[in-house]
Amino acid sequence: NAGVTQTPKFQVLKTGQSMTLQCAQDMNHNSMYWYRQDPGMGLRLIYYSASEGTTDKGEVPNGYNVSRLNKREFSLRLESAAPSQTSVYFCASSEGGTWSYEQYFGPGTRLTVT
Amino acid sequence: AQKITQTQPGMFVQEKEAVTLDCTYDTSDPSYGLFWYKQPSSGEMIFLIYQGSYDQQNATEGRYSLNFQKARKSANLVISASQLGDSAMYFCAMREPLASGGSYIPTFGRGTSLIVHP
Repeated sequence: NAGVTQTPKFQVLKTGQSMTLQCAQDMNHNSMYWYRQDPGMGLRLIYYSASEGTTDKGEVPNGYNVSRLNKREFSLRLESAAPSQTSVYFCASSEGGTWSYEQYFGPGTRLTVT
Repeated sequence: AQKITQTQPGMFVQEKEAVTLDCTYDTSDPSYGLFWYKQPSSGEMIFLIYQGSYDQQNATEGRYSLNFQKARKSANLVISASQLGDSAMYFCAMREPLASGGSYIPTFGRGTSLIVHP
């Protein structure tokens, strides 16, 4: 079991460029999430998908779009990157959307926008 | 107002001693879950321990225990017999239902950096 995988691990973009962060999980989890982590801010939820076919905004969705491609895959797209989007991005999954399920995290993508 | 508050930005502990990392939370829903995650310097997020709002006993997982005081809305992590490998960031998180109903969305605190001295 690979768990949650993310690609790429590192990326440098110029302002205005676009890119898609890929995430896949092999645990047959229903729910998937995208977070960003900035120094001193903890993890902030960008978007989530409670189940295949649904996506919803989290705390900081502006500048991002997501696609739940199938049950395994959940991608995050930056259409026009800005320096404020420099961050570490984590994808996570959990078995369900209720209160008792822990999340499993991918290794993260370190994104720098110049 | 923050849903999860971790008031200790940094903590130091001597190897083999116990340490408590504080976490308070804010929710009006009776059904919620509390989680602790560890993030070592390598960056990955590792799940440590879970406490449900209806659980009568404090959760324990090896050297980790969660001191759950529901009335005070507190969910402190206790690490017994600290080891050098415990040096990391520790995040407290809560899952509670959305105001609109449906999913239980996790919210994370800002973290506490723990350094274990030999």
